[in-house]
Amino acid sequence: KNEVEQSPQNLTAQEGEFITINCSYSVGISALHWLQQHPGGGIVSLFMLSSGKKKHGRLIATINIQEKHSSLHITASHPRDSAVYICAAPRTTSGTYKYIFGTGTRLKVLA
Amino acid sequence: GAVVSQHPSRVICKSGTSVKIECRSLDFQATTMFWYRQFPKQSLMLMATSNEGSKATYEQGVEKDKFLINHASLTLSTLTVTSAHPEDSSFYICSARSVGYNSPLHFGNGTRLTVT
Repeated sequence: KNEVEQSPQNLTAQEGEFITINCSYSVGISALHWLQQHPGGGIVSLFMLSSGKKKHGRLIATINIQEKHSSLHITASHPRDSAVYICAAPRTTSGTYKYIFGTGTRLKVLA
Repeated sequence: GAVVSQHPSRVICKSGTSVKIECRSLDFQATTMFWYRQFPKQSLMLMATSNEGSKATYEQGVEKDKFLINHASLTLSTLTVTSAHPEDSSFYICSARSVGYNSPLHFGNGTRLTVT
């Protein structure tokens, strides 16, 4: 079992739909990152959150530290939201700081 | 605008040659930089972690003599793929962060390496 798991792996939605991507983790963390990777490969950090909820435009991220679960929501989805969404948890292992990545959710929004 | 600049974005080289990829933090001091490799439709695979002024920490299975990492300043880290082979063809991406456990993580746009 991966330390960070995402679901679903693939998601196709119609333009305008409300989208939810889930991330569950088994490691102890103080913050979680949501990343967006576009087809060209570049990665953008969307959110870093340690509690509650954050909102940026049509994107909302929530986290429940006790339940070790985070969700990324996209409201009024648009074809330009098509990308791979990745959650990442920072952790320290043997004094080395690194990130554990989920396998990603490949989202396609159809016009 | 981009806070981490990765260069080049694409490179084609012949087998046996070496390729250097640069990763620069543009407006912050990157005390830690990470180098990842990504295969098609797979997640990021950490290759090594580099801290400014010290030797990089390589992940298990990554050949340090093949993938040379230098982090000589707080704004620049380089990855050199030495004696490249076609199986080294991949997407390489760097990320950088400053001090603090919850510092944001910034990514470069990646380098697509093709070895012919």
